[in-house]
Amino acid sequence: EAQVTQNPRYLITVTGKKLTVTCSQNMNHEYMSWYRQDPGLGLRQIYYSMNVEVTDKGDVPEGYKVSRKEKRNFPLILESPSPNQTSLYFCASSFRGSSYNEQFFGPGTRLTVL
Amino acid sequence: RKEVEQDPGPFNVPEGATVAFNCTYSNSASQSFFWYRQDCRKEPKLLMSVYSSGNEDGRFTAQLNRASQYISLLIRDSKLSDSATYLCVVNNRNQFYFGTGTSLTVIP
Repeated sequence: EAQVTQNPRYLITVTGKKLTVTCSQNMNHEYMSWYRQDPGLGLRQIYYSMNVEVTDKGDVPEGYKVSRKEKRNFPLILESPSPNQTSLYFCASSFRGSSYNEQFFGPGTRLTVL
Repeated sequence: RKEVEQDPGPFNVPEGATVAFNCTYSNSASQSFFWYRQDCRKEPKLLMSVYSSGNEDGRFTAQLNRASQYISLLIRDSKLSDSATYLCVVNNRNQFYFGTGTSLTVIP
């Protein structure tokens, strides 16, 4: 089944404790992206990747890191999480970014930073 | 100024009604446009792309006005299953910008 998977789905952590949210897709998509969704602000793009070893900042990259060592995986790293990073996070993938290609989203990761 | 602006609603309409959502975007260089649907904090799913000539998919019609930087979505003969949040999405140079969403509830 074609899908985007994220792990963990739910995470409660404390300020400053490094964490990684994994994202994997099995559709051979070149483009992958991370978003956060907050009430009243909608989805905002954190980072995106056009292909392996190519990553770029989105609108809200501060406090996050990403890597794209393999085409299928695009982990999101929070080196020192803070309470303002409490949010619902979505990973997405598509064949290409700048065209009419559908983005497929993962199920989301609900992160709480205490 | 926000890249994409939508009326958040909520829109509460009876079954069978026609409802229209609007969205404006600020960057005239934006390249592609979409409507996504999101159910109750689940993952967004593509409803339809929006082309300059306008396009229709069953009960759904999307239109784009590049001169006014305006996108619309029309839903005819609303069904209970149409209840969701509708997200306007704009792409510019590989980045995607989402509106905050318009909430629709279809009432029996």
